[in-house]
Formats: sequence, structure tokens, C-alpha cells
Amino acid sequence: KAGVTQTPRYLIKTRGQQVTLSCSPISGHRSVSWYQQTPGQGLQFLFEYFSETQRNKGNFPGRFSGRQFSNSRSEMNVSTLELGDSALYLCASSPLGQGREAKNIQYFGAGTRLSVL
Amino acid sequence: GDSVTQMEGPVTLSEEAFLTINCTYTATGYPSLFWYVQYPGEGLQLLLKATKADDKGSNKGFEATYRKETTSFHLEKGSVQVSDSAVYFCAQGGSEKLVFGKGTKLTVNP
Repeated sequence: KAGVTQTPRYLIKTRGQQVTLSCSPISGHRSVSWYQQTPGQGLQFLFEYFSETQRNKGNFPGRFSGRQFSNSRSEMNVSTLELGDSALYLCASSPLGQGREAKNIQYFGAGTRLSVL
Repeated sequence: GDSVTQMEGPVTLSEEAFLTINCTYTATGYPSLFWYVQYPGEGLQLLLKATKADDKGSNKGFEATYRKETTSFHLEKGSVQVSDSAVYFCAQGGSEKLVFGKGTKLTVNP
């Protein structure tokens, strides 16, 4: 079974631009989560989608948005990029969408490294 | 709110040394607990997990026990190898959201 696939792996943008990152979950997984990883703040939760609906959202400004398609693939978008948005963006998928049971493990992709100049 | 605190390191050990990375959590309920590992240039890999009090997760010689009374989930390994060099993250939660510690960088020297 293929793992979580994130594209592109690397991205360079300039301030003020917008960017879209893509995530293909493991086949059969319906929950997709996004995280931002920076040296200063560590790993921070952005949002989680299940069956095309955002169920959870972290504490990020409205410039960060996402969506999920009917095939569970997900995209996240960052508008009006700032220098501080430079980070590794990680996507994770999970097989089930309910509760906190052990089998609801999150499986991570390799990430998209975004550099904002 | 929910949080995870882990020793930030860096930790440098010699091969075959004993490893402990401390992790404590605060939560309103009884979360599942995880240790993830990140190798350079890669995403996170699940190392081990525990879902309820006194559960012991284990994998590749690593172990951690869910201690409700001390709200802890310390990672241990009896004899580390050079290939264990990586960043280790303690986390709580489940499929909807994970809350991570800051990560502990481990370097194992031959």
C-alpha cells in the first residue's frame, strides 16, 4: 500500500504570493490532518478533514485554509505569504474518523518544505 | 488546554548506552499517547503507542509505559545504536488531532 504522498516536496515563493500544497492519503483513509513544523514553534496542528468536512481547526490565521475532495485527497492553501510561513508542512492520514482509539493512528507524509523569500 | 512537555536535549550518547527521554502530558481526558521519530529530511514515523493507563508500547527495542498517576510516557531503550540518531516526538491525541512535544534530538556516536 502506498504511503501518504505530498506534492511538491520543495517550494520557493515570495512574500505576498499564495501557495497550494497537495496531499494524497493512504488508500481507504478518510481523515486527513495538516501540521506546520518550524524550529521555533515545533509541530503545530493546522486543521483536520473527514469526509470533505473540516472537523478541527488549530490556532492559525484565516490565510491558512484547506479542503478535502470526495476521494479524500486534500489541499491546503496559504494566501498572502509572509516570511514566517516558511516551514515544513506535514500531512497525515488516518483510517477512521471517530474517537481516540489506538487504531486511529496518524500516518505522515514526507512533507512539503516551503521557503518564503 | 492539552499539552505535552518533553526534554528538549540535544542528547548525545555512545553506542550501547541506555536512553531515557522524559515526556509528560496534560489533558482533560485520557488520551492515546504516541512516540514518533523523524529522520533527517523525512516525515514522522510512528515508533510506538499506548491507549490506556499501564499500557506498554514497544517497538525496535524502544519502550514506553502510560502512567496515569504521573501523567507520563517516558521513552526508554536499553542499548542505542548509531542508526537511532534522529529527533523523537512525544504526542497525545488521536485521528482528529495530535498535540506534540517540542522534540528531542538524539545523536548516538560509535
